[in-house]
Amino acid sequence: SYELTQPLSMSVALGQTARITCGGNNIGSKSVHWYQQRPGQAPVLVIYRDSNRPSGIPERFSGSNSGNTATLTVSRAQAGDEADYYCQVWDSNSWVFGGGTKLTVL
Amino acid sequence: EVQLLESGGGLVQPGGSLRLSCAASGFTFSSYAMTWVRQAPGKGLEWVSDITSSGGRTYYADAVKGRFTISRDNSKSTLFLQMNSLRDEDTAVYYCAKEDNSGNIKWFDPWGQGTLVTVSS
Repeated sequence: SYELTQPLSMSVALGQTARITCGGNNIGSKSVHWYQQRPGQAPVLVIYRDSNRPSGIPERFSGSNSGNTATLTVSRAQAGDEADYYCQVWDSNSWVFGGGTKLTVL
Repeated sequence: EVQLLESGGGLVQPGGSLRLSCAASGFTFSSYAMTWVRQAPGKGLEWVSDITSSGGRTYYADAVKGRFTISRDNSKSTLFLQMNSLRDEDTAVYYCAKEDNSGNIKWFDPWGQGTLVTVSS
């Protein structure tokens, strides 16, 4: 079965840029979606189809996907960006999530 | 505004059954595929099951295949998950989500607030 690999955690200084990676075999050939989950809340879509932002999501969130790595970039990080982030793809009639990355804003 | 409201969670003994519901509003329910995703305490997201807009096709994660059944009532804008032969490892918050799409590419937006299922003796 297809697997997505994310770093367990990472930290970013307030106002700086965080890049959260999602690794998978030839993931660049798939469409990747990203979800943000704040503590105690339901997940929220922040990026769909590799690099598209839903309405209401700040421009500070961006995405890219190539080769074996997809990346979610959070620019000018704010305290409210502290959350778990999950990548997702569809493969062989099954949805696959990455293990999630806990982003801490220092 | 799109709203999804799950219900039906609770405490159940191993081997027992539970039926979850997800009441949808704010969109044409019959036009969208729907999905269930769960999250065990302190763990990540795990996809459970998918159903097409008409209900004609369903998909399941290996972990629940043969035990869980997804269904929908488009006349009542409601999604269901029948869970049988429950195990300790099924303990989780269960979320329903609407599958938005562009062509044949789909994603989950939005999600409901979730309902907690606890399997324990």
